[in-house]
Amino acid sequence: GAVVSQHPSWVICKSGTSVKIECRSLDFQATTMFWYRQFPKQSLMLMATSNEGSKATYEQGVEKDKFLINHASLTLSTLTVTSAHPEDSSFYICSASRTYNSPLHFGNGTRLTVT
Amino acid sequence: GENVEQHPSTLSVQEGDSAVIKCTYSDSASNYFPWYKQELGKRPQLIIDIRSNVGEKKDQRIAVTLNKTAKHFSLHITETQPEDSAVYFCAASHDRDLNTNAGKSTFGDGTTLTVKP
Repeated sequence: GAVVSQHPSWVICKSGTSVKIECRSLDFQATTMFWYRQFPKQSLMLMATSNEGSKATYEQGVEKDKFLINHASLTLSTLTVTSAHPEDSSFYICSASRTYNSPLHFGNGTRLTVT
Repeated sequence: GENVEQHPSTLSVQEGDSAVIKCTYSDSASNYFPWYKQELGKRPQLIIDIRSNVGEKKDQRIAVTLNKTAKHFSLHITETQPEDSAVYFCAASHDRDLNTNAGKSTFGDGTTLTVKP
């Protein structure tokens, strides 16, 4: 149990376009989901906390107008990278947990390449 | 906020040897400490966790110890195997209050473990 599906696994887009990444908890409800960015050989950098039915909480330095998060239901959160630039190229990964302060279950990540 | 430091950043051991990775945390309210393993190109997966009411937990070749007073916890892998090679992340979180910070994990920078056959 506790499967998190993330889609797409990889995407290539042109500068200036927007890209939407979906994160779904398949067999449990997740009140809270988290979005991370991971650079090669580095740790998971938390971007924002996605809360079902309310606005996301962004970490310091993360532009909320650029990285739009929508948590439409207890099983789906989306991250939209707007007006993408090459520097947005990265590995984006989501996670969710059944309850507060419990194991995180990660999506398989999305490799974004902006040309 | 919470700050988690993890050492070493890289660790190379011979197959069969033990590996130890250490983490320290700053927020005394943190009470949940998971360890995740991330193989190359894959998602992080929980391998073991410990809560603050326990000092040690073991699962076959993997064990975690927690020292609340010193605010540090360690991952111990015995009889290492090549398939243990991966990046390991420690994390800390708390459930002090049910706001958006509750359950938000702070991760260490990761340890790249290489087990040589």
